[in-house]
Amino acid sequence: DVVLTQTPSILSATIGQSVSISCRSSQSLLDSDGNTYLYWFLQRPGQSPQRLIYLVSNLGSGVPNRFSGSGSGTDFTLKISGVEAEDLGVYYCMQATHAPLTFGSGTKLEIK
Amino acid sequence: QVTLKESGPGILQPSQTLSLTCTFSGFSLSTYGMGVGWIRQPSGKGLEWLANIWWDDDKYYNPSLKNRLTISKDTSNNQAFLKITNVDTADTATYYCARSYRRDWFAYWGQGTLVTVSS
Repeated sequence: DVVLTQTPSILSATIGQSVSISCRSSQSLLDSDGNTYLYWFLQRPGQSPQRLIYLVSNLGSGVPNRFSGSGSGTDFTLKISGVEAEDLGVYYCMQATHAPLTFGSGTKLEIK
Repeated sequence: QVTLKESGPGILQPSQTLSLTCTFSGFSLSTYGMGVGWIRQPSGKGLEWLANIWWDDDKYYNPSLKNRLTISKDTSNNQAFLKITNVDTADTATYYCARSYRRDWFAYWGQGTLVTVSS
């Protein structure tokens, strides 16, 4: 199975600070169809996961543009440009290039 | 508007079979490319994909659960189902269903249903 390693596991930020989360894959996530099936989700406390980013860098519907995704191959990054209070929660990356689908272990964002 | 809602037994005993239902609206599992997946999350832990079913009744399972999973659907009633046989305490988790469309994964999720396995 593809292992996704997220760093850091805990991130503490002040309102307005820009932060980045890394997701590294044990295998390249570039599919034979030319797409890279790497996704980012946010799970706020007590809620279901919400998709933020699809196909590495595409913003999900209704997702604020302070969120952005980048990367290729095995290295991916989620950036929040100006953290807001509502951004607290656990962020997960997920890959769907290789079966079975796998998730990273999560990065908890705390607001100072 | 796409919505999904999971339902389950709440609590069951070890060795029993867990039956989960995902009732959805705003899309149809008879539409080309449409699918529903199941994902679970033990309390305080991460996410684990379990299975997916597609509009053409194609099914994919996580090999880690070997032959314990069965996914199915009722297109007429807009429902998808997951059965897990021979449960034990390690299957205690919140179970989510989520929509997939072609290879666009999990843009929509249900609220989750908590399942506790306890004697």
